Amino acid sequence: GAGVSQSPRYKVTKRGQDVALRCDPISGHVSLYWYRQALGQGPEFLTYFNYEAQQDKSGLPNDRFSAERPEGSISTLTIQRTEQRDSAMYRCASSSLVGYEQYFGPGTRLTVT
Amino acid sequence: TQLLEQSPQFLSIQEGENLTVYCNSSSVFSSLQWYRQEPGEGPVLLVTVVTGGEVKKLKRLTFQFGDARKDSSLHITAAQPGDTGLYLCAGKARGAGGTSYGKLTFGQGTILTVHP
Repeated sequence: GAGVSQSPRYKVTKRGQDVALRCDPISGHVSLYWYRQALGQGPEFLTYFNYEAQQDKSGLPNDRFSAERPEGSISTLTIQRTEQRDSAMYRCASSSLVGYEQYFGPGTRLTVT
Repeated sequence: TQLLEQSPQFLSIQEGENLTVYCNSSSVFSSLQWYRQEPGEGPVLLVTVVTGGEVKKLKRLTFQFGDARKDSSLHITAAQPGDTGLYLCAGKARGAGGTSYGKLTFGQGTILTVHP
């Protein structure tokens, strides 16, 4: 079966632009998680959803970052007015139920120039 | 804030050697997971430990959860080049409930290179 997919895989944007990163979880998975990962480092939690409800957004760095999952399936992470420090790999994961094994997607590499 | 510190950060060894990676925290975790990540891929779960003192084996890999559930270790016997990758520990805080239940805290990772 299909795993977690993310798009785009690579995104280069100019400072000040808004970007939207998409995550398509494994079909039927209730929980969806967003992480940010620096090269050679562990993922840093950003936020997660159960169905369409955002449960914990304590990891979002500031109010330029937001996420939604309006129909409980696909999720979008939006970064407004991007800054160079936002450059990173953004990873999405999903699990069948909250707290169960998380399956990670391939990530979106964001570069802000 | 729960922090997980992994050591060493880098490990370069020859095929056939044994190694241990450590994951330590001042906080208590209800469960702890170990992941392996290959270049260009997302992390893949290896094991979950939930009971203090628990030991789990996965072929040449042995995982241990500390008695106080504040630390864990991963031991690899007779390492092979295929073991090369980024090893990550991740914990779920004790008492995390409600909306924080799904939150995982990752360590900074150990980059393992096994030379043939």
